[in-house]
Amino acid sequence: SQTIHQWPATLVQPVGSPLSLECTVEGTSNPNLYWYRQAAGRGLQLLFYSVGIGQISSEVPQNLSASRPQDRQFILSSKKLLLSDSGFYLCAWSKDTNQPQHFGDGTRLSIL
Amino acid sequence: AQSVTQPDIHITVSEGASLELRCNYSYGATPYLFWYVQSPGQGLQLLLKYFSGDTLVQGIKGFEAEFKRSQSSFNLRKPSVHWSDAAEYFCAVGATEYGNKLVFGAGTILRVKS
Repeated sequence: SQTIHQWPATLVQPVGSPLSLECTVEGTSNPNLYWYRQAAGRGLQLLFYSVGIGQISSEVPQNLSASRPQDRQFILSSKKLLLSDSGFYLCAWSKDTNQPQHFGDGTRLSIL
Repeated sequence: AQSVTQPDIHITVSEGASLELRCNYSYGATPYLFWYVQSPGQGLQLLLKYFSGDTLVQGIKGFEAEFKRSQSSFNLRKPSVHWSDAAEYFCAVGATEYGNKLVFGAGTILRVKS
């Protein structure tokens, strides 16, 4: 069966520091991969999605970037974090367009 | 633009009572629809999905949802709520025409009182 892993589960970072969040999927090949941010009391905002290695689509202008160095690995990064980057970050995968997305357990990011 | 509305931010029901969570969408395409549940500090778990066919779909944990095209709705129901159903529920909508992206509603927080 397929599984998705995100780490770390929680992260506290100072303003201006770099960020790297990692997501990996097991048990499937060539998945679609997604990064979402969930602010407190709000829905999910799609940040990036990828349909293949090196293919990244950005949904909103922001201080973050994403990369997909391997088929089942998706990384969310920032060179200098802002206070507004705080939130709950979720990685998800789907087998294909129109298929359900399956979510990881998320990373709680707090910026001080 | 595509949008998904969950009109109720919070709902409180008594344990054993029936539940209906509302979801309305605005999409210029043939949608496919999902309901997800999220416990605090956790990721989202898929409850059920609708792509085509029978408009009443059954999901996990005793949930069901009905797609009504004329009302642009996909409401989630459960006949008898259990205390463990307390969580946040999200409706999501996608369409082939819009590629790989889903649009999520803002969520409904369900509280269950004993």
